[in-house]
Amino acid sequence: QSVLTQPPSASGTPGQRVTISCSGSSSNIGSNTVNWYQQFPGTAPKLLIYSNNQRPSGVPDRFSGSKSGTSASLAISGLQSEDEADYYCATWDDTLFGGGTKLTVL
Amino acid sequence: EVQLLESGGGLVQPGGSLRLSCAASGFTFSSYAMSWVRQAPGKGLEWVSAISDSGGNTYDADSVKGRFTISRDNSKNTLYLQMSSLRAEDTAVYYCAKRSQYSNNWYTDYWGQGTLVTVSS
Repeated sequence: QSVLTQPPSASGTPGQRVTISCSGSSSNIGSNTVNWYQQFPGTAPKLLIYSNNQRPSGVPDRFSGSKSGTSASLAISGLQSEDEADYYCATWDDTLFGGGTKLTVL
Repeated sequence: EVQLLESGGGLVQPGGSLRLSCAASGFTFSSYAMSWVRQAPGKGLEWVSAISDSGGNTYDADSVKGRFTISRDNSKNTLYLQMSSLRAEDTAVYYCAKRSQYSNNWYTDYWGQGTLVTVSS
């Protein structure tokens, strides 16, 4: 069980806005930035958000990140079927990962 | 195009050793810190080890400290993970990963496709 807590699952319908939370403590999220990764089954993770809210080039602006205190969130707006994947938060310079959230698009 | 190609995975008995390699291309390898991250079957991501761009500084997760050694050969653009005293719980896909920095905070911007290590008798 990870120190960073994510809901095991989340779901939404196409076009909807979905948020995935990542809860930590003052010693991890509270004092470090958060990164987010997307992983499809059988493939390597892909960087989605870095430094709380920075989007790498090529990542659609439907994806956004935020951090407040000891928690962080990933928001996906205009949900699409191809967004169905596992999502992981990470902090402490990517030495600490959340347990992951499986996003289902209904 | 950044490419990270892992090799060296396979089946090994408990207590055995294995060395993973990661051939990097498409970027100036010697300018970037690198890491290994693993994922047990059906489980989440777990950071294993990291190494600075020069190789002068290394960092290990408590779960592998004293058993795994990360190293690099910048002349060969290759990252290594020497694993010894392997246990069943080390069974996982091992990903080679490139690290980048933004405002003194690190993140992983590229991942290899992974190599499977299975520890079983």
